[in-house]
Amino acid sequence: QQPVQSPQAVILREGEDAVINCSSSKALYSVHWYRQKHGEAPVFLMILLKGGEQKGHEKISASFNEKKQQSSLYLTASQLSYSGTYFCGTEEGTSYGKLTFGQGTILTVHP
Amino acid sequence: GAGVSQSPSNKVTEKGKDVELRCDPISGHTALYWYRQSLGQGLEFLIYFQGNSAPDKSGLPSDRFSAERTGGSVSTLTIQRTQQEDSAVYLCASSPALLGYGYTFGSGTRLTVV
Repeated sequence: QQPVQSPQAVILREGEDAVINCSSSKALYSVHWYRQKHGEAPVFLMILLKGGEQKGHEKISASFNEKKQQSSLYLTASQLSYSGTYFCGTEEGTSYGKLTFGQGTILTVHP
Repeated sequence: GAGVSQSPSNKVTEKGKDVELRCDPISGHTALYWYRQSLGQGLEFLIYFQGNSAPDKSGLPSDRFSAERTGGSVSTLTIQRTQQEDSAVYLCASSPALLGYGYTFGSGTRLTVV
């Protein structure tokens, strides 16, 4: 079942922060986050595993609430290069190997 | 190879023809995945391989779609009797193992059925 992402779109100025949420109705084993720029392939950002720690590096981090089956991606002090469509992908505990992606969140960062 | 390689990058075919899309994963990656992305849409799961085995074929849209992987490496996605609704970008990805790793995607094959 497809996870639900919110918001659908975000517009920021450089230096502002953003949070993108991903919610599933199923028990999850993992949550992935990817960024896709127009005309390019998705690029892996991070993976959060059930029972694992919050992930992050520099100004992009994410959390995974296993009880609520929710994940959030945090973008701090956004840069122009952060623009793109962000997808979360969820892997259910009963369907290993099958990553189901949300509909995407379009992030636009302006100077 | 250094990345996931897909060929052809673009394919225009006539309705009713068969097409084969190829994916060459990163060397040593045991897991391989096929997704489809229609214009402006999200990624639709098609099939995954663990080694040469495809345990879950439930994502294939119809029996016109099939996929195989040989030697634990190259994979081919075949679409028979193509229809206009098959037009999309077909993305292949690989990962070192089935669990616990992010995917590296190829640049995709843009399929246009006319």
